[in-house]
Amino acid sequence: GDSVTQTEGLVTLTEGLPVMLNCTYQSTYSPFLFWYVQHLNEAPKLLLKSFTDNKRPEHQGFHATLHKSSSSFHLQKSSAQLSDSALYYCALGNYAQGLTFGLGTRVSVFP
Amino acid sequence: EAAVTQSPRNKVAVTGGKVTLSCNQTNNHNNMYWYRQDTGHGLRLIHYSYGAGSTEKGDIPDGYKASRPSQENFSLILELATPSQTSVYFCASGGTGGSQNTLYFGAGTRLSVL
Repeated sequence: GDSVTQTEGLVTLTEGLPVMLNCTYQSTYSPFLFWYVQHLNEAPKLLLKSFTDNKRPEHQGFHATLHKSSSSFHLQKSSAQLSDSALYYCALGNYAQGLTFGLGTRVSVFP
Repeated sequence: EAAVTQSPRNKVAVTGGKVTLSCNQTNNHNNMYWYRQDTGHGLRLIHYSYGAGSTEKGDIPDGYKASRPSQENFSLILELATPSQTSVYFCASGGTGGSQNTLYFGAGTRLSVL
């Protein structure tokens, strides 16, 4: 069945440094991948999602590239901000059941 | 922006009691979902619905029932609550774009079963 793997449970870094969160997936069908972000005591919200035409989605300085050859959709940002501290979920679109989520990666950015 | 409202926001229940979590969406989305969020487990799908009158089992349905009386409302029911159901529950709605669907989440209900 479909599954999503996020290898880092916690990422801590200093403000201004680059950040990359890993996401790999297994899917029976041609996949759509998503990144959701959840700030403390808030709802998960869409950060970005893959396009059908292989364009690279970008939002709030974050970007991700879908690589079907390696089944990956890593999230990157060149310079982390304090406000990026949050829980990040990678998710796989499932035609029947909505989204299959990874376990999440908590990002803590320090001054 | 899409609007999904959950009630109550916080709930304390006793073991063996009945708990109903409610969700209302004003997005006119056909699909609605109930997830629970636990540290170390991420977001796990409990039940979902394709429209009024339909409910389907997700990945972890045991101990839960769902009800979709209308397009706007989707409830999660714990007939006999247990401490293992202590969690944060999120409702979400989404359109009918298949695997491209963006889901819109409510603010969550924090449930403690004592």
